[in-house]
Order: sequence, then C-alpha cells, then structure tokens
Amino acid sequence: GENVEQHPSTLSVQEGDSAVIKCTYSDSASNYFPWYKQELGKRPQLIIDIRSNVGEKKDQRIAVTLNKTAKHFSLHITETQPEDSAVYFCAANNAGNMLTFGGGTRLMVKP
Amino acid sequence: GAVVSQHPSWVICKSGTSVKIECRSLDFQATTMFWYRQFPKQSLMLMATSNEGSKATYEQGVEKDKFLINHASLTLSTLTVTSAHPEDSSFYICSARDQAGHKFGSGTRLTVV
Repeated sequence: GENVEQHPSTLSVQEGDSAVIKCTYSDSASNYFPWYKQELGKRPQLIIDIRSNVGEKKDQRIAVTLNKTAKHFSLHITETQPEDSAVYFCAANNAGNMLTFGGGTRLMVKP
Repeated sequence: GAVVSQHPSWVICKSGTSVKIECRSLDFQATTMFWYRQFPKQSLMLMATSNEGSKATYEQGVEKDKFLINHASLTLSTLTVTSAHPEDSSFYICSARDQAGHKFGSGTRLTVV
C-alpha cells in the first residue's frame, strides 16, 4: 500500500519567515495530494491541494510543488504569521480514493 | 460546499460498553466513507473503508468484530466500538469524498473509563 513520509516533525520559525514541509510517497498510482491544517481537537482543514498533472500551485502565501518522478511534494508558507501555528499533514490519494497521511509537522511561528 | 456531519462530538463510556458514532453526508451522496483514528500527537490512521450496501474493508490490524461498520444508506455510515476498553480512547474521524475532494466530519473524542 501507500506510504507517506513527512519531514520535519516539528518546525519553529520567526514571524515573517518562510516554512517548508516536505513529503514523499511510495505509490506511483497516487494522483492527488492535499495538505491539511489541524488545530487541537478539530477536524483537518484543507489548505491547498495539487493533482498529478500539475507541478506547482499557489494560493496567496501558500504554495505546493510536486515532483512525480521523485515522488516528492512540498508545502511552502511565506510571510508566516502566529495564526499559522498548527499541525500540518500531507496526504496522498491513491486510485482507490483512500487518503494516506504523513506523520504531521507541528509548526510554531514565534511573534 | 459539501458538509460531513459527525456525532457525537465527544463521549465518555465505561469499559465493556459499546459506543456508536454516526457520520452523515448532508448534501451529497457518498457510496464510500472512510473512518480514521487519531491518537494524541499522532497522524490520522485509516481504520476502514465503509461501502454502501456491502461489507466494510478493514485495514491490517483493525479488528472488524470490535469496530463494526454499517453503511446502510448513501448518506449515513456508523462505527460502533464494541466492548470498549481504555486503549480504545482516541479521536475518531470520518470522511467522504465528493467532486471537490475529501470532506471530514468534526471528529468524536472517545474516552473509555
């Protein structure tokens, strides 16, 4: 089955700096890669996603890149703000529409 | 947009009792729903795939007789934790996929005492 690895597990940045979280996946049939932000005790919130026919997608301060050949995808947050502090999960969606999640990254943005 | 409703939000039960969690797709039909479990400070782990009108598909290591799944209609899937024990205490989340992507329920915090 699919295996998704996510790094780093924790990330601390100064407000205004950029944050980058990286994921790898194993199943070449996976075709959809969402990123979620989860606050304590809440449901995951989709923040951006990318499909396998696209290499990059941007939405304001958030961007995602995908390298299908290397099976890598990354989340980039620019101009970080304290409210960006949360746990972020990458995920890969395989042909069976199942989501496999990465281990999560706890992002802390210091004011 | 499409919404997935999950109830209850939290439940405390005694060891040995059973707890039922409901997951509803409010404005779309979901032939497939997914159940996840999330322990503190860990990721979401897929437990099973719920299929409308047929048996659920369980992930390796998940006991099907302990976690009973019923998907009797296109908008409702239920997860029953039978004979609950303290180690079953966790955050359970369901999801369903519509054309835009996966929609998650609000989660159920289960505490077994």
